[in-house]
Amino acid sequence: GQQVMQIPQYQHVQEGEDFTTYCNSSTTLSNIQWYKQRPGGHPVFLIQLVKSGEVKKQKRLTFQFGEAKKNSSLHITATQTTDVGTYFCAGRGGSYIPTFGRGTSLIVHP
Amino acid sequence: DADVTQTPRNRITKTGKRIMLECSQTKGHDRMYWYRQDPGLGLRLIYYSFDVKDINKGEISDGYSVSRQAQAKFSLSLESAIPNQTALYFCATSGTGINTGELFFGEGSRLTVL
Repeated sequence: GQQVMQIPQYQHVQEGEDFTTYCNSSTTLSNIQWYKQRPGGHPVFLIQLVKSGEVKKQKRLTFQFGEAKKNSSLHITATQTTDVGTYFCAGRGGSYIPTFGRGTSLIVHP
Repeated sequence: DADVTQTPRNRITKTGKRIMLECSQTKGHDRMYWYRQDPGLGLRLIYYSFDVKDINKGEISDGYSVSRQAQAKFSLSLESAIPNQTALYFCATSGTGINTGELFFGEGSRLTVL
């Protein structure tokens, strides 16, 4: 079945440093979504990418979808303590069911 | 009020007990899901339902069952709870269409099986 690998599992950064998390799928995806889960909270949708090579920005967050639609990344510029949490990618293949990566936990040190 | 409501939010039970986790939504979505979250393992799909008459197993359905009582209600049952079912459980909903499927999660139900 479809597998979505996400790395790294954890990332410690100093406030102001950049952060990137990567997702790779074993199969071509129809779309990929990104979610953020704050400590003690529930996953909250950030964005969906659909097109090959698509790049979307939300303030300091940049999301990319690979040309082959099998990989994606989330990059945060100049992290802040409010960015703390776990970031998940979720890829959809042909089954309409999203498969989640294991998440990357971001720890920001002030 | 939350669009996706889960009850109970926390539950401690003993091995062998029957447990039901309930989920209700006011978003009018047809699609509902139950996920399990364990540290380091992400979100794993237990069951999903695309409408009231449609129930499907996810990747880790063994030991669980579900009931879709109405469009707005989707319950998860553990017939005989065991300690390795201790986890955080999330209910989620989504609209239809492969490119319109943002998931809306409930606040989670933390289950501890002793």
